[in-house]
Amino acid sequence: DIQMTQSPPSLSAYVGDRVTITCRASQTISTYVSWYQQKPGKAPKFLIYAASSLASGVPSRFSGSGSGTDFTLTISSLQPEDLAIYYCHQSYNFPWTFGQGTKVEIK
Amino acid sequence: QVLLQESGPGLVKPSETLSLTCAVSGDSISRYYWSWIRQPPGKGLELIGFISNTGNTNSSPSLKSRVTISRDMSKNEFSLNLRSVTAADTAVYYCARNSGGYGDYGMDVWGQGKTVSVSS
Repeated sequence: DIQMTQSPPSLSAYVGDRVTITCRASQTISTYVSWYQQKPGKAPKFLIYAASSLASGVPSRFSGSGSGTDFTLTISSLQPEDLAIYYCHQSYNFPWTFGQGTKVEIK
Repeated sequence: QVLLQESGPGLVKPSETLSLTCAVSGDSISRYYWSWIRQPPGKGLELIGFISNTGNTNSSPSLKSRVTISRDMSKNEFSLNLRSVTAADTAVYYCARNSGGYGDYGMDVWGQGKTVSVSS
């Protein structure tokens, strides 16, 4: 199975800060990476697909980049409503796998 | 608007079979891939498996021996059966639609989730 390792496990930042979350795959996966936001008690929400394409309706402060083994999710200006856990996901090889999550908190 | 809704028992006894159904509205299950994902309390997301637009299925190797995923085209819904459950199968179970030609663009639409506890 392809392992997806996210860092950091958690972070705390101020409103307006630029936040970056990293995901590293255990083998090359081209750009078959998507990102999800999960707020407490809610289902995950689709943010980014194909490593850098913004899903419909997602605010433009979210962006994704990377290819091969290293990927990033960036929030350009953190907002209070961005409090959530963020997951990366690879769909290059089955079984598709998720990162362990990064918890984003607001200072 | 595409909507997915999970249904089924919220409590299952150990050694029995967990059965859930995902009703799809706003799209046809003959299009796209459709997945089951679960999330144990306080933990991350785990793929269980999928059923394709043509009815092919695949399941995570760790669960494969206990999982059956099927569909009912007449009702536009797909189902999960997980046999011989233990407490470790307690989780929120989600159904989701996979975007991309082979489901390879990730899960773009999710159900609200169904909490299932395994306990006697």
